Amino acid sequence: GAVVSQHPSRVICKSGTSVKIECRSLDFQATTMFWYRQFPKQSLMLMATSNEGSKATYEQGVEKDKFLINHASLTLSTLTVTSAHPEDSSFYICSARDRGQSEKLFFGSGTQLSVL
Amino acid sequence: GENVEQHPSTLSVQEGDSAVIKCTYSDSASNYFPWYKQELGKGPQLIIDIRSNVGEKKDQRIAVTLNKTAKHFSLHITETQPEDSAVYFCAAESNFGNEKLTFGTGTRLTIIP
Repeated sequence: GAVVSQHPSRVICKSGTSVKIECRSLDFQATTMFWYRQFPKQSLMLMATSNEGSKATYEQGVEKDKFLINHASLTLSTLTVTSAHPEDSSFYICSARDRGQSEKLFFGSGTQLSVL
Repeated sequence: GENVEQHPSTLSVQEGDSAVIKCTYSDSASNYFPWYKQELGKGPQLIIDIRSNVGEKKDQRIAVTLNKTAKHFSLHITETQPEDSAVYFCAAESNFGNEKLTFGTGTRLTIIP
């Protein structure tokens, strides 16, 4: 399958700081990437769709000023959690479609964010 | 919008036996159904998928069946091994490649040695 690389895998930060998470498609170009949030023992919740060269599309209830998404190239999307608070602690996962593999969706390894 | 239900939420199977996980979907326009395996602390891994023009697909010990009329699809794992222990998610999508995946609630599969 296609490789989606996500960094960092784990981050601990103080309340009020900002955290940036990177998502890269290593062996294919991704015009669209997706960002998910997952709480323990729960399913994946789509936060936003990241579109290369344009603004991200956010799901209902997701604060766009809180979760900044930048998709500056065909292989990189970033999610910045601004002014993080303990309630933002969660597992964040990115994904990307590989057009060369019939549009299948591949996921990164996830980032565990802990806000103290 | 699409709604995907998944059962059971937990499943324990003796090593070597088969495991079956079932999902139903609501949108008759859905035409793509992937299954993902997620190990603790990792991202989901695509293990098998099926499109609506196919009724069954098999890849070694893993198979997926689709019943479009009843709007349900199932994951079958045969000859289970301890490394099959994980959380499995089904998903559905309409207009394949241009829409968002809707995920099921997940099944925690435990293989008992």
